[in-house]
Order: sequence, then structure tokens, then C-alpha cells
Amino acid sequence: NAGVTQTPKFRVLKTGQSMTLLCAQDMNHEYMYWYRQDPGMGLRLIHYSVGEGTTAKGEVPDGYNVSRLKKQNFLLGLESAAPSQTSVYFCASSYRANTEAFFGQGTRLTVV
Amino acid sequence: AQKITQTQPGMFVQEKEAVTLDCTYDTSDPSYGLFWYKQPSSGEMIFLIYQGSYDQQNATEGRYSLNFQKARKSANLVISASQLGDSAMYFCAMREGPAAGGGNKLTFGTGTQLKVEL
Repeated sequence: NAGVTQTPKFRVLKTGQSMTLLCAQDMNHEYMYWYRQDPGMGLRLIHYSVGEGTTAKGEVPDGYNVSRLKKQNFLLGLESAAPSQTSVYFCASSYRANTEAFFGQGTRLTVV
Repeated sequence: AQKITQTQPGMFVQEKEAVTLDCTYDTSDPSYGLFWYKQPSSGEMIFLIYQGSYDQQNATEGRYSLNFQKARKSANLVISASQLGDSAMYFCAMREGPAAGGGNKLTFGTGTQLKVEL
């Protein structure tokens, strides 16, 4: 029972490089979310999706893009990484609006 | 404007005592849900308790209870009989419905770091 799996778990990027973070869930959940966690700022919502083929902006979407071509996968892309994007990234998914979100283990990204 | 406010950056509690972690929220949507999560130092996010806006009774899960005061827009977490293993960061979160333009987004507060002492 994998739940929510994030790939990779750690990554170091140089400024200007691009990368894609993968979130995969095997629970047939409709809703998926990407957050970043920075000290003292809690979890801030980057983008989210309420179903396959749909995406929406969260609180801090600039510099990120997402896609949800398959229900089970939610991809977060950084086109041109900046040091300000150094953070821990969490993916989460939930079945319905009134059910809890399950989280992945997080991805620690450092941009140098 | 902040949707979820947690005003206590850090809290201390003696083992076996009860502690209340504060959370206030702001929404115009009549249908919303409130969640509490625990994040230990290992980093994973652990769901604790859920309260729906239409729920008549306060939610309880074991040693966790949610003091839901709708008119005051507060959803405080009460942990009874604190244990050393309760030391962690605690996050309050809210999911608004489409009526507020929230589109079911799930937003979090900045968290409260709880330390349980002997």
C-alpha cells in the first residue's frame, strides 16, 4: 500500500536549471495538491487539481507549472530554478472535499 | 489576507497535562472543513482530526478534540494527557468549497511548535 509517493526525495539544482517533481497516488483520489514548506511560513499551496485534466493556482504559483494528465499523477515543474525555490516540497491527495489529505514524504530541493 | 491564523509559534506543556493549540479561520463559504495535522521532527504529515462546518458536535479522536466555535471562527485543538511523543509541529488547515472561489483548495496555517516536558 504505497499511498502517496514523491520522486525524487532530494535534489540539488543549479540556478537556471529545470526539473520535474513527480507525485503518484494509488488511492484513486480526485484532489491533489503541491505545497512548499519554509521555516516559519507553514505549508503554502503552489498549485492543486480537483480532477484529471484540471489544475488551479494556489497561493504561490509563480515560477512553477503543473500537469495532471493521469488521475494518479500530479507533476510539478520548475522551468528555471532560482535560489528562492529552495524548500521542502510536499504533495498531498484526498478522495473528497471532506476527507483528510494524505501526504507524501516530501522532496528537499536546494537551488545553488 | 491570512485564511488560517495560528498565533502561537511555540508552546510548552508538562507531561500528562492538557494543552490547547489555537486556530482561527476566515471564510465566506458556508461549507468548509477544518483539519489538524501533526508534523514530528522526522518530517511526515500525520492527520489528526477533522471538523465539518455543518457538524453539530465537536470532533474527537482519542486524546484529540477540536473545540469548534463557529461564530468566533475558531477551531482549537485540545490534546489531553500530553505525552513526550506529542512534541511536534501542529498545523491547522481549512478546505473551502467552490462558493467562496476556493475551489476546494486546502490551505494551512503557519503552525505551532509544541514541546512536552517531563
